[in-house]
Amino acid sequence: GEDVEQSLFLSVREGDSSVINCTYTDSSSTYLYWYKQEPGAGLQLLTYIFSNMDMKQDQRLTVLLNKKDKHLSLRIADTQTGDSAIYFCAESMAGNQFYFGTGTSLTVIP
Amino acid sequence: NAGVTQTPKFQVLKTGQSMTLQCAQDMNHNSMYWYRQDPGMGLRLIYYSASEGTTDKGEVPNGYNVSRLNKREFSLRLESAAPSQTSVYFCASRDRTGGAETQYFGPGTRLLVL
Repeated sequence: GEDVEQSLFLSVREGDSSVINCTYTDSSSTYLYWYKQEPGAGLQLLTYIFSNMDMKQDQRLTVLLNKKDKHLSLRIADTQTGDSAIYFCAESMAGNQFYFGTGTSLTVIP
Repeated sequence: NAGVTQTPKFQVLKTGQSMTLQCAQDMNHNSMYWYRQDPGMGLRLIYYSASEGTTDKGEVPNGYNVSRLNKREFSLRLESAAPSQTSVYFCASRDRTGGAETQYFGPGTRLLVL
């Protein structure tokens, strides 16, 4: 399988920005994704970016893609306690093969 | 509109027993997926179905079979369960229309194989 890597933990204060990073290995990836998983629940697709884009903004979420370095990041502006969760990045190629990172646990301190 | 539903929520099996995990979606999505999630790991794709009548292997298909019964339903079968199949199983559906993509995940089935 492909290697999609994320740091395990991130802790931020409420109101600050959070930046979650991800590196992937396959330059043929067509779409890259960010998901949120709350305890005991399934994943929720937050946002995605096509591989020919550098940036995508969606309300408080900003995705940056550096294809040269195979680096993807998710910035959450004005982080709230409800943003505490595990965040997964994933890459897809050839349409339907998905590879997920191990997840970053975000803790928001009030 | 229930999204993606999975049954059962929990299951305990003995080694060698068989079972079928059920998944249904009511969003008329063409693509459906089965993943497993093990502690400290991300999701790994077991099988997917790009459309009704087709299925394909993902990253970890060994020990599993699938059936895309119709557009709504995609089941996962363990013919002879092994302790290594203890995991949380998620079903998902996906649609990509006009460049926009939607994906929905079920709440998961927690399986323990003794």
